[in-house]
Amino acid sequence: QVQLVQSGAEVKKPGASVKVSCKASGYTFTSYGISWVRQAPGQGLEWMGWISAYNGNTNYAQKLQGRVTMTTDTSTSTAYMELRSLRSDDTAVYYCARVDYVWGFDYWGQGTLVTVSS
Amino acid sequence: QSALTQPPSASGSPGQSVTISCTGTSSDVGGYNYVSWYQQHPGKAPKLMIYEVSKRPSGVPDRFSGSKSGNTASLTVSGLQAEDEADYYCSSYAGSNNFVFGTGTKVTVL
Repeated sequence: QVQLVQSGAEVKKPGASVKVSCKASGYTFTSYGISWVRQAPGQGLEWMGWISAYNGNTNYAQKLQGRVTMTTDTSTSTAYMELRSLRSDDTAVYYCARVDYVWGFDYWGQGTLVTVSS
Repeated sequence: QSALTQPPSASGSPGQSVTISCTGTSSDVGGYNYVSWYQQHPGKAPKLMIYEVSKRPSGVPDRFSGSKSGNTASLTVSGLQAEDEADYYCSSYAGSNNFVFGTGTKVTVL
């Protein structure tokens, strides 16, 4: 069965960086894209960007351009999301999701809480 | 890319139906038949309920249905059950590997 397992919770200071991992299993990793979606406390879902696990092509949400980098390691079927210059309003649960423009986001990781606090 | 517009809340009694709207633009909802809907219970990851406007993944009850007209998509939950109480989000493909989510709707079963 398809599973996406994310790394554990992080606490970071303002200005620092965080890197969250998402290990996929149960399907051919390179046949789908991975998107990252975040949800601030009590707020809605925000799409952060997309990466092709096939060739590493990326597309990031405009508001995060320059601060976010998404990568994949096909040898371990793992996707990564790094967010730099963290601010307090980056505090959120970060999800990875398998994505296809037809199917949408059909499988999700369990979420990783990133807390930014001094 | 602006979020798609959903009503903040919707409610219905058990057995009744509730419909949630999702309004975008011709660059997202109106431009593609790639609208999907997600159910999220508190503290849980979202779950895909509808894809490609009106198709249901395996395991999703047929009480959930989707449609689209112009720039507005809709999700209808018929025969409301207590477990349907959750937050619901729409999402649309917006071209060039861009996606956008709706603002979210809290569904309450009275």
